[in-house]
Amino acid sequence: GDSVTQMEGPVTLSEEAFLTINCTYTATGYPSLFWYVQYPGEGLQLLLKATKADDKGSNKGFEATYRKETTSFHLEKGSVQVSDSAVYFCALRGVQGAQKLVFGQGTRLTINP
Amino acid sequence: GAGVSQTPSNKVTEKGKYVELRCDPISGHTALYWYRQSLGQGPEFLIYFQGTGAADDSGLPNDRFFAVRPEGSVSTLKIQRTERGDSAVYLCASSLEPGQAGGYTFGSGTRLTVV
Repeated sequence: GDSVTQMEGPVTLSEEAFLTINCTYTATGYPSLFWYVQYPGEGLQLLLKATKADDKGSNKGFEATYRKETTSFHLEKGSVQVSDSAVYFCALRGVQGAQKLVFGQGTRLTINP
Repeated sequence: GAGVSQTPSNKVTEKGKYVELRCDPISGHTALYWYRQSLGQGPEFLIYFQGTGAADDSGLPNDRFFAVRPEGSVSTLKIQRTERGDSAVYLCASSLEPGQAGGYTFGSGTRLTVV
């Protein structure tokens, strides 16, 4: 079945550092891909998405590009802030069973000032 | 309402007891989803409703778990004969239409602890 594998955390960086969180997936056909973020004490929020190959999703300085050839959707940000500290989840919505999201295990990110 | 509301936010119950978890979706959202998030893991799909009917319940782990949405709005997840392994955060999400490309709006979850 469909699955998502994320870079294991926790990840700790200094403010203004460059961030990459790796995400690869296994799915039939062309799934839609998402990054969700969970800030402390809050619910899951959609951060960005891409629905077809080579699409780039972006929001709040974060970007991720849908790479079909490497089945990847890595999350990047050029200069992180303390307020980016959160847990990040990569997810896909497959072609089959398209009403549900399949999540990775999450990556906890801590940014130190 | 403004967002997806889940009650209670925390529930502690004894092993073997029955529990009900409530989800109040965004008004007008026809699709409703339940997920379960164990500690250190990503959310796992349980069940999806389109209107009043359960369109996909393939994620329910066993017959102790059941969910209803009788009027196509509020949903209740019911767990019978709870076990310690049921301890997790139960998340509800809703969307205006099924499979909406923008994803779903999640509630803050109910943290269930079975002692």
